[in-house]
Amino acid sequence: GQQLNQSPQSMFIQEGEDVSMNCTSSSIFNTWLWYKQDPGEGPVLLIALYKAGELTSNGRLTAQFGITRKDSFLNISASIPSDVGIYFCAGQLRYGGATNKLIFGTGTLLAVQP
Amino acid sequence: KAGVTQTPRYLIKTRGQQVTLSCSPISGHRSVSWYQQTPGQGLQFLFEYFSETQRNKGNFPGRFSGRQFSNSRSEMNVSTLELGDSALYLCASSSQSQGWYGYTFGSGTRLTVV
Repeated sequence: GQQLNQSPQSMFIQEGEDVSMNCTSSSIFNTWLWYKQDPGEGPVLLIALYKAGELTSNGRLTAQFGITRKDSFLNISASIPSDVGIYFCAGQLRYGGATNKLIFGTGTLLAVQP
Repeated sequence: KAGVTQTPRYLIKTRGQQVTLSCSPISGHRSVSWYQQTPGQGLQFLFEYFSETQRNKGNFPGRFSGRQFSNSRSEMNVSTLELGDSALYLCASSSQSQGWYGYTFGSGTRLTVV
């Protein structure tokens, strides 16, 4: 199945550190989404991006929609233990009402040591 | 507002059996999508329903099918189960009338085929 390239695959950091992860695609998307998944749960939407070049923040999280429309990155500032989980990017190509499927990245496992 | 509800949470089936999973979307959401999550393939799109019509289908064999009812609740069925069907099956709902604000996922159904 199709998956987007997401890096890094895993990160082990100290509480208070900043984190960066990114996602690249060979295809163009017109929507980028970032999700976080805790063990045994479904992904939870963190940030949605709808325009190339868009920079959006949600608390300590900041994400950008790449200008080429083929990439996106997510930054987490001043990490805390509850940031632990798996982070997924997802690209979506929407045109009219024709399709809404999400193509997910391979995921980034984040571990935060107190 | 209640979230996306998936039942059952856990299921163990034998190879060759069939299974039906249920998803109740957020009230007012008319779009329901299904995803399969495995360690090897990640999150893969199965199909999407909108107003009882299948709008898009992923690259899965015909053993995987779904339907949506008039109250937007959805079911997916897998016939002739194989060991490789063991996965977390996630349902996500979206309100098309709000534009494209991503999808809200349920907690999933963990299917184990033995």
